[in-house]
Amino acid sequence: GQNIDQPTEMTATEGAIVQINCTYQTSGFNGLFWYQQHAGEAPTFLSYNVLDGLEEKGRFSSFLSRSKGYSYLLLKELQMKDSASYLCAVMDSNYQLIWGAGTKLIIKP
Amino acid sequence: GAVVSQHPSRVICKSGTSVKIECRSLDFQATTMFWYRQFPKQSLMLMATSNEGSKATYEQGVEKDKFLINHASLTLSTLTVTSAHPEDSSFYICSARTGDTEAFFGQGTRLTVV
Repeated sequence: GQNIDQPTEMTATEGAIVQINCTYQTSGFNGLFWYQQHAGEAPTFLSYNVLDGLEEKGRFSSFLSRSKGYSYLLLKELQMKDSASYLCAVMDSNYQLIWGAGTKLIIKP
Repeated sequence: GAVVSQHPSRVICKSGTSVKIECRSLDFQATTMFWYRQFPKQSLMLMATSNEGSKATYEQGVEKDKFLINHASLTLSTLTVTSAHPEDSSFYICSARTGDTEAFFGQGTRLTVV
């Protein structure tokens, strides 16, 4: 079966760095996405990785290792507004998105 | 990024009535649109995938006669919840993409059936 695993909840301190991991087992791979979702709102796109390596975009970076079926989202200089759920999703061989359950990130002052 | 507009953002309807939710891609042509529902504190659940001009493909367990999806043009898809019941109360989200790019999400619709 297809499976996406990410931690349920993480806590970090304002100004610090946090890494949210995602492991996947899917039928085929056509890219991995990270989305941010604030409570009661729709998800917003953060990043897309299809090749191995690190993609940096401002305070957010995303890493992919296809051989290990592993990705992480790295958030630097955390701000209170970063408190949200972070969703990992993989596009399989049929170009369907398989979603993880999301990681709730709590930022403390 | 591209803009996807979903309307209405909130709707309250009486049990037994039907509700239509619109999803529009404002600045690109959406060859594929996805409809999701999300229960509180749970992940997104794909309901159906629609390609412009063809019938939607529904996920297992989703009643196609209850959740009518129409994707009549490259910029508009609609989801109609027919004969709504309280258990249909949920957050419904559409997303759209062109080709095999990332999907852009609408703002979501919170449906409450009373």
